[in-house]
Amino acid sequence: ELKVEQNPLFLSMQEGKNYTIYCNYSTTSDRLYWYRQDPGKSLESLFVLLSNGAVKQEGRLMASLDTKARLSTLHITAAVHDLSATYFCAAPHSGTYKYIFGTGTRLKVLA
Amino acid sequence: EPEVTQTPSHQVTQMGQEVILRCVPISNHLYFYWYRQILGQKVEFLVSFYNNEISEKSEIFDDQFSVERPDGSNFTLKIRSTKLEDSAMYFCASTRDRKEKLLFGSGTQLSVL
Repeated sequence: ELKVEQNPLFLSMQEGKNYTIYCNYSTTSDRLYWYRQDPGKSLESLFVLLSNGAVKQEGRLMASLDTKARLSTLHITAAVHDLSATYFCAAPHSGTYKYIFGTGTRLKVLA
Repeated sequence: EPEVTQTPSHQVTQMGQEVILRCVPISNHLYFYWYRQILGQKVEFLVSFYNNEISEKSEIFDDQFSVERPDGSNFTLKIRSTKLEDSAMYFCASTRDRKEKLLFGSGTQLSVL
């Protein structure tokens, strides 16, 4: 059974700092998704990573995928308060239609 | 951008009652999903639906749950006899292709009293 784990679970950081969120998954998967969720809101797609070595960037966020290490990272550069949210990674269970979500990382950026 | 629409946004029900949560996926999407999330915690897979049948379901999706796409546009989740532990935010999602991102609706907050 595919397990998807993120760390850290909680992250409090100062504005202007850099940090990385890690997403590990337990079985083979050829793609990985990142979502953002604001409190009380729905899930918003951030990145779709479709192959080993894929790197995507949008503003202050950059996501990468290493399928051999079964690891994806979400790097935050020069954090701003607006990035405060919960970030989820999700991987498809191989051979199925099922997407398994990670435990989530709750990010708080302090002014 | 097209949106996945869910109704109602909030549903309060008594334990043991039946509830139907409604979703209108994006019109050219082929794969449909229900997920739930308890109190902002982990997003749990319930069921996936493709070509008018269930393709995958989780252990949570027992005999009390059912899904239907009755008219080619709506996608519903029915809970036959609700339990207290069914209280959660229920999200509908859809995608055109399995390799594309899931687009989520705004959710239905279900409270079982």
